[in-house]
Amino acid sequence: EIVLTQSPDTLSLSPGEGATLSCRASQSISSSWLAWYQQKPGQAPRLLIYAASSRATGIPDRFSGSGSGTDFTLTISRLEPEDFAVYFCQQYGDSPPVFTFGPGTKVDI
Amino acid sequence: QITLKESGPTLVKPTQTLTLTCTFSGFSLTTFGVGVGWIRQPPGKALEWVAITYWDGDQRYNWSLQSRLTITKDTSKNQVVLTMTNMDPVDTATYYCARGKWASFDYWGQGTLVTVSS
Repeated sequence: EIVLTQSPDTLSLSPGEGATLSCRASQSISSSWLAWYQQKPGQAPRLLIYAASSRATGIPDRFSGSGSGTDFTLTISRLEPEDFAVYFCQQYGDSPPVFTFGPGTKVDI
Repeated sequence: QITLKESGPTLVKPTQTLTLTCTFSGFSLTTFGVGVGWIRQPPGKALEWVAITYWDGDQRYNWSLQSRLTITKDTSKNQVVLTMTNMDPVDTATYYCARGKWASFDYWGQGTLVTVSS
C-alpha cells in the first residue's frame, strides 16, 4: 500500500508570498494519478490539480503542480487571502484500485 | 451544473448499520470513465476514501473497511447508496460523496456529519 506524506505540516506565510507544498509517495506512482485538493474550514475539498500538473476547471493560474516518481509539489505563486486553507494530495493506484490521501498541509497567516 | 448531495442519519448507535444516499445531477453515471465515490473525514483529521462505484458497474472498497461496506447505484434516480454495518464511535466523521473522474474526484457534495454514539 502506498503511503503519502506531506510537508511541512503547517506553512505560515503572508498574502503576496509564494508557497511550496510537498507530497512524497512511499513508492513511485504515475504522474497521471496524483491530485491536489484545497479545503477551507467547514467546506468540502475542492479539486485544484489532477494528473500532477493539470489545473481543474476554474482554478487560477497561480496554482501549479509538478513532479514525478515519488516527489510532487504544489506551488502557489502569490498567496491571496482566500488561499489560506488545508491542502491534501491524493494518489490513485490500480492494483488493487485504491485512492489514498495525504495528511494535509495547513497554509495559514 | 454538477451537484451532489448526501443524505442520511446524523446519529447512529454502535453496532447499527449506516445507510447514506448520494443524489446527484448534471452528469450521468452511465458515462464512460465516471464514478461516484464516498470519502470520509473524522473531525480535525485527514480524508479517507471509503468506496466507489463506476459507470460499468464495477465497485471498489477501501480494503480496511470492505467487509462492512456495500455501495450500489440507481442510474434512473441518479443516486448512489452506501451502507456500512457494525458502526463504531471511530466511524464518526463527515461523509462526502464525490464524482470520480478517472484518478481524482472533481465535484463534491457538501458532506454530512455522522456521529456514532449510544
